[in-house]
Amino acid sequence: GQNIDQPTEMTATEGAIVQINCTYQTSGFNGLFWYQQHAGEAPTFLSYNVLDGLEEKGRFSSFLSRSKGYSYLLLKELQMKDSASYLCAVVDSNYQLIWGAGTKLIIKP
Amino acid sequence: GAVVSQHPSRVICKSGTSVKIECRSLDFQATTMFWYRQFPKQSLMLMATSNEGSKATYEQGVEKDKFLINHASLTLSTLTVTSAHPEDSSFYICSARVSDRVSETQYFGPGTRLLVL
Repeated sequence: GQNIDQPTEMTATEGAIVQINCTYQTSGFNGLFWYQQHAGEAPTFLSYNVLDGLEEKGRFSSFLSRSKGYSYLLLKELQMKDSASYLCAVVDSNYQLIWGAGTKLIIKP
Repeated sequence: GAVVSQHPSRVICKSGTSVKIECRSLDFQATTMFWYRQFPKQSLMLMATSNEGSKATYEQGVEKDKFLINHASLTLSTLTVTSAHPEDSSFYICSARVSDRVSETQYFGPGTRLLVL
């Protein structure tokens, strides 16, 4: 079967750095997305990785290792508004999105 | 980034009525759109894939006669929840796929919150 694993919940302090991990086992791989979703809202696109390595976009970075079936989202200089769920999703061989259950990130002052 | 809109954003209806939700890509053409539903504190669940000019592809367990999808143009897909019941109350989200030779991205609409009384 296809499976995406990410931690259910994480807590971090304002101004700090947090890394949210995502591991996957899917039938084929055509890229991995990270989305941010605030409560009651639709997800917003954060990053897309299809090649191994680290991609940096401001305070957010995303890393991919296809051989390990592993990705992480790194958030720096955390702000209170970063409190949200972070969804990892993999594009499988049929170009369907396989979603993780999301990681709820709680930021404390 | 590309913009996807949904209308209405919120709807309350009586049990047994039908509700139509529109999903539009505002500044690009989308040959493929997706419809998701999300229950509270749960991940998005794909309901169907909507392809312009052809029949939608439904995920297992999703009743195609209950959730009618029409993708009449490259910028509009509609989801009609027929004879809605309270258990259909959920957050419905559409997305549009944008592809080029290098990558593919999905842009999500803001979602439609449906409450069936």
